[in-house]
Amino acid sequence: EVQLLESGGGLVQPGGSLRLSCAASGLTFRSFAIHWVRQAPGKGLEWVSGLIGSDANTHYADSVKGRFTISRDNSNNTLYLQMNSLRAEDTAVYYCAKGLAASPNWFDPWGQGTLVTVSS
Amino acid sequence: EIVLTQSPGTLSLSPGERATLSCRASQSVSSYLAWYQQKPGQAPRVLIYDASKRATGIPARFSGSGSGTDFTLTISSLEPEDFAVYFCQQRRSWPLTFGGGTRVQIK
Repeated sequence: EVQLLESGGGLVQPGGSLRLSCAASGLTFRSFAIHWVRQAPGKGLEWVSGLIGSDANTHYADSVKGRFTISRDNSNNTLYLQMNSLRAEDTAVYYCAKGLAASPNWFDPWGQGTLVTVSS
Repeated sequence: EIVLTQSPGTLSLSPGERATLSCRASQSVSSYLAWYQQKPGQAPRVLIYDASKRATGIPARFSGSGSGTDFTLTISSLEPEDFAVYFCQQRRSWPLTFGGGTRVQIK
């Protein structure tokens, strides 16, 4: 069974940085696409970033481009999201989600999420 | 960016009734549309992908249809556990985008 476990969320001041981690088990990590999706409190879902394929192509939402960096460590099956220059509007639960085997850009399963709060 | 508009915002129905949820894209996404279900305090889970393919373990009462710009998620007979929020998502082009969601609540 594939399991994803996010960590690294917390309270950070505007302009600050945070690194989220997503530990994966039950899969050959490098073989799958994997994404970050966020959800502001009481709001809908927003795709943030994805890392696709063995050659690790990266994609970002315009709202985070230039501030966030997605990466992975295949040796320990962990995905990262480095978040810099954080803004209040980045406050959300951040989920990591694996791409389906049928297609890399459908999301299943998801982790339980980690809350990032950007506030002074 | 492809904008997905879901309607209605809220659907009030009774168990056993049929639910019909709509997702409209601002431009054609071909069949590259998925549906997710999210219950309170939980992560979403995929129900339907490629517009009409049920994901592993999803009951047959869930079905998806449509192509191009207009899509429908149908729940043929609502079970108590189906009351939740449903989101559509496209993968036709970057950035990947979600609709705003439809809440299915008990009438």
